[in-house]
Amino acid sequence: GQSLEQPSEVTAVEGAIVQINCTYQTSGFYGLSWYQQHDGGAPTFLSYNALDGLEETGRFSSFLSRSDSYGYLLLQELQMKDSASYFCAVRDQAGGSYIPTFGRGTSLIVHP
Amino acid sequence: GAGVSQSPRYKVTKRGQDVALRCDPISGHVSLYWYRQALGQGPEFLTYFNYEAQQDKSGLPNDRFSAERPEGSISTLTIQRTEQRDSAMYRCASSLRDGDRHNEQFFGPGTRLTVL
Repeated sequence: GQSLEQPSEVTAVEGAIVQINCTYQTSGFYGLSWYQQHDGGAPTFLSYNALDGLEETGRFSSFLSRSDSYGYLLLQELQMKDSASYFCAVRDQAGGSYIPTFGRGTSLIVHP
Repeated sequence: GAGVSQSPRYKVTKRGQDVALRCDPISGHVSLYWYRQALGQGPEFLTYFNYEAQQDKSGLPNDRFSAERPEGSISTLTIQRTEQRDSAMYRCASSLRDGDRHNEQFFGPGTRLTVL
């Protein structure tokens, strides 16, 4: 089976940098993804890491260490609109299937 | 272009009734996923399809839940003999391919199911 751990809430001020950590346990790891979800909205894809290292997409970066079963999402130059829930998700390869599992989410609150 | 659509957006039903939730994925997307999401929680995997084939249904809670995608496009999630504990947001997502490193999922707006 799979399990993911991420902090339930993180707060920061506008312009700051924040890191949201995610640790996971899977039986057949096949990549770590991050999604953003605003209140009342649908989750939207932010990034994906299959290999160790840092992936950068604008103000957002995502890191993966497969040996540590650990990843993080880094948000730079925080803006008020970044206040949302952030989910890490893994895919387990089991036979011919790739089962997605999402974490419980981290609520990011950005203060002015 | 059009994103993932779901209907109805809201469904209120009485306990014991059957409900059918529909998902229309992005055109050309091979994979289609069904999730259930409780307030303040992440999406909980239910089942997924590649084309018309149901690849995995290990997340379906019990045999009252079933899903189909007969022509490899639109999918229906059916809940029979609904119970109050089935009340939740049901989300559908699609992705271009399965098992690809760029397995970005596009989520629909969801169907809010309330069982009285």
